[in-house]
Amino acid sequence: DGGITQSPKYLFRKEGQNVTLSCEQNLNHDAMYWYRQDPGQGLRLIYYSQIVNDFQKGDIAEGYSVSREKKESFPLTVTSAQKNPTAFYLCASRSGTGDEQYFGPGTRLTVT
Amino acid sequence: AQSVTQLDSQVPVFEEAPVELRCNYSSSVSVYLFWYVQYPNQGLQLLLKYLSGSTLVKSINGFEAEFNKSQTSFHLRKPSVHISDTAEYFCAVSEGNTGKLIFGQGTTLQVKP
Repeated sequence: DGGITQSPKYLFRKEGQNVTLSCEQNLNHDAMYWYRQDPGQGLRLIYYSQIVNDFQKGDIAEGYSVSREKKESFPLTVTSAQKNPTAFYLCASRSGTGDEQYFGPGTRLTVT
Repeated sequence: AQSVTQLDSQVPVFEEAPVELRCNYSSSVSVYLFWYVQYPNQGLQLLLKYLSGSTLVKSINGFEAEFNKSQTSFHLRKPSVHISDTAEYFCAVSEGNTGKLIFGQGTTLQVKP
């Protein structure tokens, strides 16, 4: 089956630790995106990549980092610099201009 | 900058009643518009989209939305809702060639028996 996978579904970390969230797609899509979802705030864009080895900051990139070494993979690292990392993180991919984004199932990160 | 406003954070409705979820956007250029649905602790699923052409777009499960350029709106409607339609609904506008989506805050549809 084609789709987007995110792992793990639930992730717990102590404050001060970096953590990496996985996002893999087998849809052969060029563009990939990371969003953060908080209650009552909709989804906010963290980073996006339109092609391998290239990525751009979204609206709330501070405290996050990404890499795009392979077309299929777009991992997100939540660093200790992120002030409020506890949230639901969603990865998405898109084929071309005007096409919809396809979303993964999400990772719920809890930092205590 | 583009923005999307969903005017209602929660919409309670009885089963088999009609519903409208409102969405307004601001943009100075042509846009692509989307409605997504999210069930608890899951990702988003595309419900329907407007790219061009007919201003009325329909989904396979009875939802429809109408693009109104003069009112910059893209309201979602269903003539008769089911319990299974209970979910959060997001309106989004796509930004140019990057395909970035600008989301509204979401509307929780609560269908009561």
